[in-house]
Amino acid sequence: RKEVEQDPGPFNVPEGATVAFNCTYSNSASQSFFWYRQDCRKEPKLLMSVYSSGNEDGRFTAQLNRASQYISLLIRDSKLSDSATYLCVVNAGTASKLTFGTGTRLQVTL
Amino acid sequence: DAGVTQSPTHLIKTRGQQVTLRCSPKSGHDTVSWYQQALGQGPQFIFQYYEEEERQRGNFPDRFSGHQFPNYSSELNVNALLLGDSALYLCASSRLGPNTEAFFGQGTRLTVV
Repeated sequence: RKEVEQDPGPFNVPEGATVAFNCTYSNSASQSFFWYRQDCRKEPKLLMSVYSSGNEDGRFTAQLNRASQYISLLIRDSKLSDSATYLCVVNAGTASKLTFGTGTRLQVTL
Repeated sequence: DAGVTQSPTHLIKTRGQQVTLRCSPKSGHDTVSWYQQALGQGPQFIFQYYEEEERQRGNFPDRFSGHQFPNYSSELNVNALLLGDSALYLCASSRLGPNTEAFFGQGTRLTVV
């Protein structure tokens, strides 16, 4: 079983749609959680950290369920510029080692 | 702030050769981690350096080695290159700790022919 699992997609949605991505992780000792965005042939960039209480940043909402070892990302009012791969990332240790999922590809269309 | 810089951006090598990739961390960061990202996959952790020592290592063979210098910059060396080593190699810098943000360089795209 992979440490971090995501549906690779692609998710094809029209502009203005709401789309949700899910991710599960296997290590119950995981301490911190993130969503990164990666554009084609570019480096990953932090989109947002994920907290147990849930957090929101504009059109983006992230949720963490520690009991189910499940992380989600909700994107409202999708824009063409949201087209990218969204990587679910977990840090299980005391250092800064990050474990990535394979990523979920999102394509927003007109 | 220059952010994380990596060199070179692209590289083509022949099977069996050796390669050295370089990374300069973001100002104020003391920890450098290296990742390998194959096409269609998420980045895979290779190893992490802090205080010029390898602190953690992922599931990569000894052909992969590294170094961190006193100025926190780092090198990744890969010996006896295989076709399967073709990938995007990413360097991430951060401050040590589980909740600190990691910043990635633009990566080095290595092609082994």
